[in-house]
Amino acid sequence: SQTIHQWPATLVQPVGSPLSLECTVEGTSNPNLYWYRQAAGRGLQLLFYSVGIGQISSEVPQNLSASRPQDRQFILSSKKLLLSDSGFYLCAWSRGGGETDTQYFGPGTRLTVL
Amino acid sequence: AQKVTQAQTEISVVEKEDVTLDCVYETRDTTYYLFWYKQPPSGELVFLIRRNSFDEQNEISGRYSWNFQKSTSSFNFTITASQVVDSAVYFCALSEWDSGGYQKVTFGTGTKLQVIP
Repeated sequence: SQTIHQWPATLVQPVGSPLSLECTVEGTSNPNLYWYRQAAGRGLQLLFYSVGIGQISSEVPQNLSASRPQDRQFILSSKKLLLSDSGFYLCAWSRGGGETDTQYFGPGTRLTVL
Repeated sequence: AQKVTQAQTEISVVEKEDVTLDCVYETRDTTYYLFWYKQPPSGELVFLIRRNSFDEQNEISGRYSWNFQKSTSSFNFTITASQVVDSAVYFCALSEWDSGGYQKVTFGTGTKLQVIP
């Protein structure tokens, strides 16, 4: 069966510091991968998605970036965090291959920028 | 662009009551998929159901049931005999294909359900 991991689970960072959140998927190959952000009390905002290694599509221009160095690894980064980057970050995967499929989510990372 | 509307921001019910969560969507696609997810206080989104636009049969899974009506662009979710463990935020979502041929999902803003013992 497939599992998706995210770490860290929680993170408190000062403004201006760098960020690296990691997401890995097990039990599948060539998945589509997604990063979402959920601000407190609000819905999900798609940040990035990837259909393969090195292929990243950005949905929202901001100071965040994403990379996919390996097939089942998806990393969310920032060089300098802003207060507005605080939120709950969720990684998700779905089967690749161009067909509609369900997205399955990881446990999330709660980021607080002070 | 597609849109998902969950007009109910918060709902409170007493345990054992039935509750319906509304979802209305907009899309120009003729083929699309609808989803419901549950987000308990722990934060992880749990997949509940997926429906494609060609299947309007209602579905029942235990205490959960879903009513899909294309004529009104609605995909409502009913919990029968609610329990405290049903307390969560519930998200309705709609899939679309972008110009690059990739699937993206649009989520509603969620309905927070509180079941009072």
